[in-house]
Amino acid sequence: DTGVSQDPRHKITKRGQNVTFRCDPISEHNRLYWYRQTLGQGPEFLTYFQNEAQLEKSRLLSDRFSAERPKGSFSTLEIQRTEQGDSAMYLCASSSFPPGTTGWGRSNYGYTFGSGTRLTVV
Amino acid sequence: LAKTTQPISMDSYEGQEVNITCSHNNIATNDYITWYQQFPSQGPRFIIQGYKTKVTNEVASLFIPADRKSSTLSLPRVSLSDTAVYYCLVGDIDNAGNMLTFGGGTRLMVKP
Repeated sequence: DTGVSQDPRHKITKRGQNVTFRCDPISEHNRLYWYRQTLGQGPEFLTYFQNEAQLEKSRLLSDRFSAERPKGSFSTLEIQRTEQGDSAMYLCASSSFPPGTTGWGRSNYGYTFGSGTRLTVV
Repeated sequence: LAKTTQPISMDSYEGQEVNITCSHNNIATNDYITWYQQFPSQGPRFIIQGYKTKVTNEVASLFIPADRKSSTLSLPRVSLSDTAVYYCLVGDIDNAGNMLTFGGGTRLMVKP
């Protein structure tokens, strides 16, 4: 397992179109997170899953956004009727919870991020 | 979630030691302090984490005073490849669902 994979790396779409991104987490990680990052800003939390259950959603996640993790493995993030304001880098991260279940120990906790999908809405 | 404050940017030269300080006055008892590094067009990468005193790994050291209201990431002998954005985060390791709230980070520019 080489880390968190995201596909595609880049996506250009016309305003009003739907787009879907995929994230494959580290296989033994049970938590999966989606973040959005705009230029010059830090990543902003969107939502997260523990196994297949979506446990929390940010207010940033409008009704046009939906995320799934049907079998507790990979996840998809769909944006419907894209707007120019949706242009951003969409980052996926995974982790194990509770911490230490991968052998790191309680004091060594961190998310592993993918390289992101850069969305440009024109 | 505890709010963090760190310098917007820093400049350094190759071979120097760089110290980036983060303030987190409202840190809670269960909060750990974690630092991430991010290069352009990549996701953030975990660097180091600590709870108190000093933590050192192969990449950096993290100094945390007794009151834990601040922390300092120390990068020894930086190189050009250390040019990146560095984020300081605090959060409850046992409530990790929304733990990672990123601020604006510190943009470190290493010059030759």
